[in-house]
Amino acid sequence: GEDVEQSLFLSVREGDSSVINCTYTDSSSTYLYWYKQEPGAGLQLLTYIFSNMDMKQDQRLTVLLNKKDKHLSLRIADTQTGDSAIYFCAESSNTGKLIFGQGTTLQVKP
Amino acid sequence: DAGVIQSPRHEVTEMGQEVTLRCKPISGHNSLFWYRQTMMRGLELLIYFNNNVPIDDSGMPEDRFSAKMPNASFSTLKIQPSEPRDSAVYFCASSSDIRFYEQYFGPGTRLTVT
Repeated sequence: GEDVEQSLFLSVREGDSSVINCTYTDSSSTYLYWYKQEPGAGLQLLTYIFSNMDMKQDQRLTVLLNKKDKHLSLRIADTQTGDSAIYFCAESSNTGKLIFGQGTTLQVKP
Repeated sequence: DAGVIQSPRHEVTEMGQEVTLRCKPISGHNSLFWYRQTMMRGLELLIYFNNNVPIDDSGMPEDRFSAKMPNASFSTLKIQPSEPRDSAVYFCASSSDIRFYEQYFGPGTRLTVT
C-alpha cells in the first residue's frame, strides 16, 4: 500500500537553512504536499508540487522532487523561530485522498 | 473568507456516551474530508464526501463511527458509543473540484474520552 516516510526531528539555528526530507512508495502519486502544523492548530497547506515537476520555489520555500527515487524535500531558507512546527509530507493521486507521513518536528534555536 | 469551521474545539466525555463533531466547509468547496490524528497512528483519513455523497469510507474504524453530509455546508462525525481509544484530534478539510489538490484544514476538535 501507499506509505510516506519522514525523519522525526530536525534542529537548526536561526538564520540557517532547514532541509526536511520525505520518501514515498506510491508511483502513481500525482501531487506531493508540505503541510505545517503549529501547536494546537490545524494543518496549513504550505506548498505542493505536481509529479511532472522537479522543483518549485515560493519565497523562502524550495521543494525538490526526485521522482525516480520517490524523494521529496522541503528547504526553508533563513529559518526563523516562527518556523518551529511539525512539517508533514503528503501525497495523493487524482482522487485527492491524502496519505501523510508521520511528521518532522523542526526546532529552531535562537 | 472564513476557513473550515469545526465545533466544538474541545470535547471531554465519558466512555459510552455519544459524541457528535461538526464541520462547515469553505463555501463553494464540494469535497469534504474527515481525518483523525493520534500519536500512535499519525494522520488518517476516515471518510470523504464529494457533492454530499460518501466516496470512500474505508478508513472509518468500526460501526461505532458514522458520518453524514446532509447539505453542502454541513457535515457531522458521530461516535456512538465512545471509547477511550477514540481520544484524538479530529480534523475536517475541504477542497473544490477545480483545485481538488488544495485541501484546507479546520482547527480540529480535540476529543478526550475518559
